[in-house]
Amino acid sequence: NSKVIQTPRYLVKGQGQKAKMRCIPEKGHPVVFWYQQNKNNEFKFLINFQNQEVLQQIDMTEKRFSAECPSNSPCSLEIQSSEAGDSALYLCASSLGGGRAETLYFGSGTRLTVL
Amino acid sequence: AQSVTQPDARVTVSEGASLQLRCKYSYSATPYLFWYVQYPRQGLQLLLKYYSGDPVVQGVNSFEAEFSKSNSSFHLQKASVHWSDSAVYFCALTGTQVVGQLTFGRGTRLQVYA
Repeated sequence: NSKVIQTPRYLVKGQGQKAKMRCIPEKGHPVVFWYQQNKNNEFKFLINFQNQEVLQQIDMTEKRFSAECPSNSPCSLEIQSSEAGDSALYLCASSLGGGRAETLYFGSGTRLTVL
Repeated sequence: AQSVTQPDARVTVSEGASLQLRCKYSYSATPYLFWYVQYPRQGLQLLLKYYSGDPVVQGVNSFEAEFSKSNSSFHLQKASVHWSDSAVYFCALTGTQVVGQLTFGRGTRLQVYA
């Protein structure tokens, strides 16, 4: 079973509010991913890190989303000004890195509802 | 561009029956393919993966999948399902843009009835 821990489980925000969620990757995993899963089961890659460095992020992430993975602290994903379209399940995953065949280990997710 | 298609949004089978969940992919190079399962209120768990060698790969909980390059498919199979297999199953592949970045299908919801 995955040991990726995500908090909080549920998050409810009004439009324009900040929304912040956290992730503790599996011990020893240097690579962390954030995905958005909407109600239609469409997944969108948001950003990934290796140790504390951003490897790649999509345009959406660059504008309203911010993320970090400080050493010795949980990783976090924050939406600066929430929009209704941000309502989704946000999944954090970690891996040992190394290649395309690497297995990603997912947390249970943070379900964000933007009213 | 790469894509994954799972043509069946829902599959219903009786307990003890055999199962096939279909997955078709589109990718110009050698695909790295995965099946993940998502149980209610949980994250995704890896069932199995393929990246080379024997086209039939064995996974956890008696699942297996067969890779076919000619058909661009990676169907998931199980000889005898149990009610606890009820979940949403996702087929995915990785491309070369970002190591580990997955392109997912829209999932197949499996309902096993007694």
